[in-house]
Amino acid sequence: DAKTTQPPSMDCAEGRAANLPCNHSTISGNEYVYWYRQIHSQGPQYIIHGLKNNETNEMASLIITEDRKSSTLILPHATLRDTAVYYCIVRALNAGNNRKLIWGLGTSLGVNP
Amino acid sequence: NAGVTQTPKFQVLKTGQSMTLQCAQDMNHEYMSWYRQDPGMGLRLIHYSVGAGITDQGEVPNGYNVSRSTTEDFPLRLLSAAPSQTSVYFCATSGVTGNTIYFGEGSWLTVV
Repeated sequence: DAKTTQPPSMDCAEGRAANLPCNHSTISGNEYVYWYRQIHSQGPQYIIHGLKNNETNEMASLIITEDRKSSTLILPHATLRDTAVYYCIVRALNAGNNRKLIWGLGTSLGVNP
Repeated sequence: NAGVTQTPKFQVLKTGQSMTLQCAQDMNHEYMSWYRQDPGMGLRLIHYSVGAGITDQGEVPNGYNVSRSTTEDFPLRLLSAAPSQTSVYFCATSGVTGNTIYFGEGSWLTVV
């Protein structure tokens, strides 16, 4: 599975949109982009995933560039509870083998009141 | 629906002691795995299983054993604990077709 690059930290004002970037320039055609977040002392939580089209759910929106080499996770109205570490990973749809997953250190998002 | 349940949540061991971290899931997922998370290192895969009776090594398997006798349970065993195994351990599951990974709440292990 391809490796991803994320900024180590970002800040956002409460109520504003938080835009978290991720580079995955070596992504393969069959690999999806997944986003998870980890709130302090808890297990990582699934947010959203996509292949090449933009995706939206009740938690966030995912914008994937046309060449699929980068993506942006958007939290439309960040709250203090969104303070967490956000992980961007890419993985193929054959979930049976996750040993090549590289989680990295993610982006630590601080939401300020 | 409990999802993924890990026990114990906290444990202190002396060097050389053995223990088992328990992981149980009620989602009928085929795939289960154990990760450890250390400061500055991110999540690292220890062992994983693609179904009952099938296990394989991940990135950092040394010092750990696993077994998968049922779909629901995937225990992680430390046969002789070492201070280097002080970490936070997460169990995770996913279905073969679903692909979303679900994590437990973590087990904090300290080896003194």
